[in-house]
Amino acid sequence: EAGVVQSPRYKIIEKKQPVAFWCNPISGHNTLYWYRQNLGQGPELLIRYENEEAVDDSQLPKDRFSAERLKGVDSTLKIQPAELGDSAVYLCASSLDQGGKLSGANVLTFGAGSRLTVL
Amino acid sequence: GDSVTQMEGPVTLSEEAFLTINCTYTATGYPSLFWYVQYPGEGLQLLLKATKADDKGSNKGFEATYRKETTSFHLEKGSVQVSDSAVYFCALSINSWGKFQFGAGTQVVVTP
Repeated sequence: EAGVVQSPRYKIIEKKQPVAFWCNPISGHNTLYWYRQNLGQGPELLIRYENEEAVDDSQLPKDRFSAERLKGVDSTLKIQPAELGDSAVYLCASSLDQGGKLSGANVLTFGAGSRLTVL
Repeated sequence: GDSVTQMEGPVTLSEEAFLTINCTYTATGYPSLFWYVQYPGEGLQLLLKATKADDKGSNKGFEATYRKETTSFHLEKGSVQVSDSAVYFCALSINSWGKFQFGAGTQVVVTP
């Protein structure tokens, strides 16, 4: 079974340029996450989807970041325009959300990430 | 709010040494606890998990016990290998629709 697939793996752009990242989650996983990981830090949630609905986007800088998951499968994260501080690794993860009634241990499966460098 | 605090790295040790990485948490509910590992150039991989107090998660020689009384989930391995060199993340998930909180990560360097 293929894991979470992300592309591109690496992207170098100049500030003020747009950039987009794509993620294809594990087949059947209904929940999809975008995280940002700054150097030397843990992942921080940007947005979480349940199927095609964004259920938590409170940490997404909406003035320049946007995301979509139109058919409830793959997803795109866009930054426009990019700023120097956006340099980071953008991680996509997915899970099969079984809800809090069961074990509660929804396990995240991460992709390899997309490393963005803004010059 | 919910948070995870783990010991700062890097932790440098020799092959076959004993490894402990401390992790403590604060949470308003009853979290599930996880350790993820990130090898260079890769995404995070689940190492082990525990869903309730006194549960012990284990995998690849690593262990961690969910201690509610001390709000801790320390990671241990009795004899590390060079291949265990990676960054280890402690994380929690409150039992409500997959809201995860990660620690800052602890880099482990194992030398031959």
